[in-house]
Amino acid sequence: EVQLVQSGGEVKKPGESLRISCRASGYSFTSYWISWVRQMPGKGLEWMGKIDPDDSDARYSPSFQGHVTISADKSINTAYVQWNSLKASDTAMYYCARHGSWGAWYDPWGQGTLVTVSS
Amino acid sequence: EILLTQSPGTLSLSPGERATLSCRASQSVGSSYLAWYQQKPGQAPKLLIYGASSRATGIPDRFSGSGSGTDFTLTISRLEPEDFAVYFCHQYGNSPVTFGQGTKVEI
Repeated sequence: EVQLVQSGGEVKKPGESLRISCRASGYSFTSYWISWVRQMPGKGLEWMGKIDPDDSDARYSPSFQGHVTISADKSINTAYVQWNSLKASDTAMYYCARHGSWGAWYDPWGQGTLVTVSS
Repeated sequence: EILLTQSPGTLSLSPGERATLSCRASQSVGSSYLAWYQQKPGQAPKLLIYGASSRATGIPDRFSGSGSGTDFTLTISRLEPEDFAVYFCHQYGNSPVTFGQGTKVEI
């Protein structure tokens, strides 16, 4: 079964750093791009960026460029998104998702990681 | 950036009825690079349709997608109780990829 399992929820203070993870199983990790998607409370979906786990080529949405870093470790089939300095406005659910076999639709999705940033 | 506008915002229907959801793009979505997802409360989105009209694995045939260019439609032929959820469209033909704001299908 193709599966993406994300790390657990986090509570952080503004200015703190954070890295959350997405562990893949059931398929060849290096054969599919992984994207990260943000969903703020009660809101829609926003694409943050994507990574090719084979060579760690990462691309970012202009809205997230410079604020997050997406990485991957193919030795442990895991993708990451990292913040160096969190803001209260980063409070959201974050999902990883695998790209399709020939197009960038998303299937499956991870279960989500809730990040809460509050002083 | 391509803006996707979904309508209506909320669709109030009963089980057994037909649901028609619209997704309009601000410019052409090349080669029908359009997907639909279903999201239930507390759950991750689930892929229903990709390539505008191809059903994902395991998706019942009451779900169908159509359209091209700038106008796309998701149709649920006969609503089942488990279909009441929020539905998002997603274009992946142009970078950055973008999502519609969602249509809530409620009883």
